[in-house]
Amino acid sequence: QQQVKQSPQSLIVQKGGISIINCAYENTAFDYFPWYQQFPGKGPALLIAIRPDVSEKKEGRFTISFNKSAKQFSLHIMDSQPGDSATYFCAAPPLTGNQFYFGTGTSLTVIP
Amino acid sequence: DVKVTQSSRYLVKRTGEKVFLECVQDMDHENMFWYRQDPGLGLRLIYFSYDVKMKEKGDIPEGYSVSREKKERFSLILESASTNQTSMYLCASSSPSGYGYTFGSGTRLTVV
Repeated sequence: QQQVKQSPQSLIVQKGGISIINCAYENTAFDYFPWYQQFPGKGPALLIAIRPDVSEKKEGRFTISFNKSAKQFSLHIMDSQPGDSATYFCAAPPLTGNQFYFGTGTSLTVIP
Repeated sequence: DVKVTQSSRYLVKRTGEKVFLECVQDMDHENMFWYRQDPGLGLRLIYFSYDVKMKEKGDIPEGYSVSREKKERFSLILESASTNQTSMYLCASSSPSGYGYTFGSGTRLTVV
C-alpha cells in the first residue's frame, strides 16, 4: 500500500515561473511533513518541512501548502531558477517508528 | 558540518560476490537507514536500525542483510550480488524524534 503519492514524475518550467509538486498521503501519522531536494550525484537534503498546525510555511522562494481535509501537501517554488533543477521528494511520518514514507520523486528542470 | 559518509561512491562487482557497503555518521544519531534509489521508483527502504545490534526489515529486504556493531556505523551486505541489485544505495540517519533525515552522497553499485 502506497502511503505517499507524488506527482508529477517530471516537470519542466521556464526560468522565473512557478514550480508546483503535489503529494497525497494516507495511513500515516500527522505531525511532520518534509520535502527533500537532491542534486545529481548527491544524496537528498532536507529542504523545508511543515507541521500541520499551520496551513502554509514559507522559506524564501519555497512554500509548503498543507490541506488537511484533502490529505494533500504541495511544494511551490516561486521565481524558479536553473539552480533549482533537481529531484524533489516529499515524505510523511509513519504511524509507528521513525521510518518515513517517501514519494517517488519529481525531476524538475528549469529552462533558462 | 554534520555528515553521513558512505565509503564508496562507485562500485563494480561480479554476480555472486559478497558486497559490503559501509556508512558512518558523526551526529550521534540513534536511527540509521539503508535505501535504494531507482528511476521511477523513488527511495525504497531496505533495512533500518534504532540502536546498536538492532535491525528491522524495510520494504525490500530480500537479498540483503545489515550489521550495526557500533552506534555510528551501519553496514549493508549483499550476500550474493545479482544484476537486479544494480542501483544507487543511500544511507541516512536521524535523531530519536525521526525528524529530518541526513543522507550520505550514495554509492552507485553496478553488478556485472
